[in-house]
Amino acid sequence: GQSLEQPSEVTAVEGAIVQINCTYQTSGFYGLSWYQQHDGGAPTFLSYNALDGLEETGRFSSFLSRSDSYGYLLLQELQMKDSASYFCAVENTNAGKSTFGDGTTLTVKP
Amino acid sequence: GAVVSQHPSWVICKSGTSVKIECRSLDFQATTMFWYRQFPKQSLMLMATSNEGSKATYEQGVEKDKFLINHASLTLSTLTVTSAHPEDSSFYICSAKGLENYNEQFFGPGTRLTVL
Repeated sequence: GQSLEQPSEVTAVEGAIVQINCTYQTSGFYGLSWYQQHDGGAPTFLSYNALDGLEETGRFSSFLSRSDSYGYLLLQELQMKDSASYFCAVENTNAGKSTFGDGTTLTVKP
Repeated sequence: GAVVSQHPSWVICKSGTSVKIECRSLDFQATTMFWYRQFPKQSLMLMATSNEGSKATYEQGVEKDKFLINHASLTLSTLTVTSAHPEDSSFYICSAKGLENYNEQFFGPGTRLTVL
């Protein structure tokens, strides 16, 4: 079966740095994605890692270690608008479908 | 950027009726579309994978006859919830992948279904 684990909640202050971890157990692995979802809205794509290492996109970075079945999303210079749910998702087939984690609710405080 | 639309954005219906939800890729051809269901404060649960011109592949536990999926073209997929019941009330979200940037799923805005 497939399982992903990520913290359910994280709280941080504006301007801080926060790291959201994701560990996974899947029968196949093609890549790890991260999505952001605000309340009532649809998920938006943040990043995708297929190979080990760090991918940086502006204030957001994502890391993958395939040998450890582990990845994280790093958010820097936090802003109030970053308060949202963040999902990691493993693409586990070549059909492109993904299994999503339960999500991490990030609350950014002034 | 790639845009995916869904229609309707919300629908309220009586128990026993059928509801059709459309998912369109507006500026790209979607080789694959996915349908998800999301309950409040929960994760996205994949219901089915849809490829243009072929039958959808349903996830375990999803009733094919209840959730009818049609992928008529490279820009349109529809999900029909047949004989809806209150337990089908949920947020239904589609996503699409194209040939370019295949690693990225572009999500529609979702459809909130309430069955009375």
